[in-house]
Amino acid sequence: GDSVTQMEGPVTLSEEAFLTINCTYTATGYPSLFWYVQYPGEGLQLLLKATKADDKGSNKGFEATYRKETTSFHLEKGSVQVSDSAVYFCALREATSGTYKYIFGTGTRLKVLA
Amino acid sequence: GAGVSQSPRYKVAKRGQDVALRCDPISGHVSLFWYQQALGQGPEFLTYFQNEAQLDKSGLPSDRFFAERPEGSVSTLKIQRTQQEDSAVYLCASSFPLAGGQRTGELFFGEGSRLTVL
Repeated sequence: GDSVTQMEGPVTLSEEAFLTINCTYTATGYPSLFWYVQYPGEGLQLLLKATKADDKGSNKGFEATYRKETTSFHLEKGSVQVSDSAVYFCALREATSGTYKYIFGTGTRLKVLA
Repeated sequence: GAGVSQSPRYKVAKRGQDVALRCDPISGHVSLFWYQQALGQGPEFLTYFQNEAQLDKSGLPSDRFFAERPEGSVSTLKIQRTQQEDSAVYLCASSFPLAGGQRTGELFFGEGSRLTVL
């Protein structure tokens, strides 16, 4: 079945450092890809998305590009802030199930130090 | 309300007890999902509704788990004869219907119900 693999955390960075969180997927067809973020004490919320190959999703300084050839959707940010500390989940929405099931990765915890 | 609302936020149950978890989705959202999130893990799919129809229940771990959405809005996840391995955060999410060629399908999550089975 479809699956998502993302790098294990925790990731600890200093403020203004460059961030990359790797995400690769296995899927039949052409899934839509998402990054969700969970801030402490809050529910998951959509950070960005891409629905087809070569699409770039972006939001709040974060970017991720849908790479079909490498089946990847890596999350990047050029300069992280303390407020970016959270757990980040890569996810795909199945294209073929007919029920639009979402598959999530295990999450990567990011801690940004001032 | 403006967002997805779940209750109770916290539930402690003795092993063998039945529990019911409620989800109130965003008004007008056709699709509703239940996920289970174990500590340190990502959300795992349990079941999916489109209006009142349960279209996919392949993720329910056993026949002790039952979900319903009788009027196509509020949903209840029921766990019978709870076991310690049922301890997790249960997440509810809703989404807009998919229209025409649009397939963006953002999920809107509630804050979850944390179940602890002693």
